[in-house]
Amino acid sequence: DAKTTQPPSMDCAEGRAANLPCNHSTISGNEYVYWYRQIHSQGPQYIIHGLKNNETNEMASLIITEDRKSSTLILPHATLRDTAVYYCPLRTGANNLFFGTGTRLTVIP
Amino acid sequence: IAGITQAPTSQILAAGRRMTLRCTQDMRHNAMYWYRQDLGLGLRLIHYSNTAGTTGKGEVPDGYSVSRANTDDFPLTLASAVPSQTSVYFCASSTGGEGNSPLHFGNGTRLTVT
Repeated sequence: DAKTTQPPSMDCAEGRAANLPCNHSTISGNEYVYWYRQIHSQGPQYIIHGLKNNETNEMASLIITEDRKSSTLILPHATLRDTAVYYCPLRTGANNLFFGTGTRLTVIP
Repeated sequence: IAGITQAPTSQILAAGRRMTLRCTQDMRHNAMYWYRQDLGLGLRLIHYSNTAGTTGKGEVPDGYSVSRANTDDFPLTLASAVPSQTSVYFCASSTGGEGNSPLHFGNGTRLTVT
């Protein structure tokens, strides 16, 4: 199963767009890219997912490169409540999401 | 509010004792999962169930057992707890086991084995 790599931490100014990268260079054709976040000690919160096409919902946008080897989660107008650890696990269609250690995003006032 | 309920929220347990972590969902999801989260290691899958009556082993199943008697409940049992099982345990569910099926997580059980 493919794994993902993310920068350990990022800062973003409040009100600005937060762009969180994820590398998944060994992704296979049937693996979906997922994004979750975890605030404090709460359970991971689902944000968005996609296979090939870019996706947008009320929380964020997901941009997947044409070769599917990387993706970017975009929070268009970051708020202090978006401070969290963000994960980009892959879902194989089997029974697992492989979570790495994620990116700790800090939104600065 | 629909979702996943885990109990207890935290527990201190003596080594060698038996403990069952409870997980209930009211979303009528077919698939359910148990993860543990340890500092620096991320979330790791312990056991899963694709549908009531079936279970499977994840990445770190040793020392744990599960059952899935019905759709809503998926308890995780530690038969004889050891200190290395100190962790935060998250239960999750999804509509199915396919790739296009997001997992929804509970808020976890923080377990300390002394």
